[in-house]
Amino acid sequence: AQSVAQPEDQVNVAEGNPLTVKCTYSVSGNPYLFWYVQYPNRGLQFLLKYITGDNLVKGSYGFEAEFNKSQTSFHLKKPSALVSDSALYFCAVRDLRGSGNTPLVFGKGTRLSVIA
Amino acid sequence: GAGVSQSPRYKVAKRGRDVALRCDSISGHVTLYWYRQTLGQGSEVLTYSQSDAQRDKSGRPSGRFSAERPERSVSTLKIQRTEQGDSAVYLCASRHGAGGPPDTQYFGPGTRLTVL
Repeated sequence: AQSVAQPEDQVNVAEGNPLTVKCTYSVSGNPYLFWYVQYPNRGLQFLLKYITGDNLVKGSYGFEAEFNKSQTSFHLKKPSALVSDSALYFCAVRDLRGSGNTPLVFGKGTRLSVIA
Repeated sequence: GAGVSQSPRYKVAKRGRDVALRCDSISGHVTLYWYRQTLGQGSEVLTYSQSDAQRDKSGRPSGRFSAERPERSVSTLKIQRTEQGDSAVYLCASRHGAGGPPDTQYFGPGTRLTVL
């Protein structure tokens, strides 16, 4: 069975400071990993994904995430937070062994608040 | 180009009534997914369908939830005999490929369903 854990319901960070939103996963095989962001009254927007290759993945809006196989983690990071980054962030996983159509399994989400 | 759209954006239903939610996916996308998002629980897949298959491939089979694909780029999620616990945001997502690598799922803005 696949699962995703986002251990923090809420993350607060001052504008200009680096931010980290944590995610750990569990799959039977190798994972495909995704980060999505959701702004109020909007659907999920794709930020970045890890499929294979370089463990450091760069995505939209200056975000990046590091895949760590030994720690089964895929933490989302940004060197300098903006107030406009305040939103709900979801980590998702799919087992590599499944078909391409296999749905994603999402974490419960982490609410990021960037304070000016 | 146009993204994934959903209608209605908000729906209020009396308990026990049936509801239908519509999703218009991105042209050319093959696989459509329905997820349910509840506060603090993240998003869980309800059902999904591939290509021209009109019947759903349920992620979490339930007799009350079904999806139909009257057109290639249209999916309708039907919820029978709604219960108060069905109150949630229903997200539709579409994906370009029919198999192979897990290319990105693109999400609609969601339909907020409230069952009274």
